[in-house]
Amino acid sequence: EVRLVVSGGGLIQPGGSLRLSCAASGLSVSSHYMAWVRQAPGKGLEWVAFIYSGGSTYYADSVRGRFTVSRDNSKNTLYIEMNTLRAEDTALYYCAAPLGDYYGMDVWGQGTTVTVSS
Amino acid sequence: DIQLTQSPSSLSASIGDRVTITCRASQGIANYLAWYQQRPGKVPKLLIYAASTLQSGVPSRFSGSGSGTDFTLTISSLQPDDVGSYYCQKFNSAPWTFGQGTKVEIK
Repeated sequence: EVRLVVSGGGLIQPGGSLRLSCAASGLSVSSHYMAWVRQAPGKGLEWVAFIYSGGSTYYADSVRGRFTVSRDNSKNTLYIEMNTLRAEDTALYYCAAPLGDYYGMDVWGQGTTVTVSS
Repeated sequence: DIQLTQSPSSLSASIGDRVTITCRASQGIANYLAWYQQRPGKVPKLLIYAASTLQSGVPSRFSGSGSGTDFTLTISSLQPDDVGSYYCQKFNSAPWTFGQGTKVEIK
């Protein structure tokens, strides 16, 4: 079974840091690409970042310079390090990936909630 | 950056109705577009990629069309299971923006 399990969310004060993990099974975090997507309460989907199989990373303007995507192939786990967190980063964070060589993500983690508040 | 604009933002239709959702890109993106369904409280589900390729396991009542700047997701006969929000997403280049979403309800 292909599965992504996201963890690491929580309540954090503005300016704080948090690292989310996305543990994969049934697929390799180093194949094709993997992405982080977030959804603020009651809002739509927002693409955050992705990492290609070759290691290139891309970020939304809203998080560039504050968030960093990485992966540990030995643990088959994707990460996103989030620094200088703001209230507007409050959201449910998903990791997602394709099952094949196409642009569209059909495997999604269950999401983890990040709440930035004092 | 290229923006995606979906219309309508919400719609209410009867069971069996044909439903059409459009996604317009502010610049051409060839066929680098995917469509997702998100049922209430659930994770998004990939319906279509490459603008018109139906993902395996997705009911054939869903179809996608378009290229360049104008794209369409069609539900040929709306079913109760189709209630939720629908999003387009571009993949031609970063940022991989989503449209703002279309909420579909049953009348």
